[in-house]
Amino acid sequence: QKEVEQNSGPLSVPEGAIASLNCTYSDRGSQSFFWYRQYSGKSPELIMSIYSNGDKEDGRFTAQLNKASQYVSLLIRDSQPSDSATYLCAVRRSGGYQKVTFGIGTKLQVIP
Amino acid sequence: GAVVSQHPSRVICKSGTSVKIECRSLDFQATTMFWYRQFPKQSLMLMATSNEGSKATYEQGVEKDKFLINHASLTLSTLTVTSAHPEDSSFYICSASRRAANEKLFFGSGTQLSVL
Repeated sequence: QKEVEQNSGPLSVPEGAIASLNCTYSDRGSQSFFWYRQYSGKSPELIMSIYSNGDKEDGRFTAQLNKASQYVSLLIRDSQPSDSATYLCAVRRSGGYQKVTFGIGTKLQVIP
Repeated sequence: GAVVSQHPSRVICKSGTSVKIECRSLDFQATTMFWYRQFPKQSLMLMATSNEGSKATYEQGVEKDKFLINHASLTLSTLTVTSAHPEDSSFYICSASRRAANEKLFFGSGTQLSVL
């Protein structure tokens, strides 16, 4: 079993729609959860971080965490073509010295 | 957000040469730095974790004598790929973090290494 699992996609949504990205993780000791966006040939850019169960909203982005189900998701409202990228789910145990483990990433395509 | 600078952005070298990649945290003290490698269409794979002033901890399968990591200060870590071969061609990305519990991971811009 992979530590962090994501569907590699591609996930295609029309412009203006809601894109839903999902992720499951295996380490129950994980305390920090992140979503990164990565454009081709570029390094990842942090989109959202979430640490407690429930929803966290930031602009068009909402992260959802359910530790009991070991499930993290990212919703992107009013999707734009510029949102087309690979979205990486990442998890970490508590502490800045702990390593961050990444999923393979879901490729999102927003169709104009 | 915090700024992590990585140089060079692209390196093309001949097989057998050594390549050094620098990673600097510009506006914070990075107690821990991580080095990742990413092959095309694959996820980021952690190579090693380095803490300032101590030896790096390498992930299973990563040759510590081939990938030399130095974290001499709280703002600088270097990765040296020794005697590079074509199979070492990859996208290398450094990242840095403070020590606090919920600290985020900030990435450098990455180095595309091509070994001919």
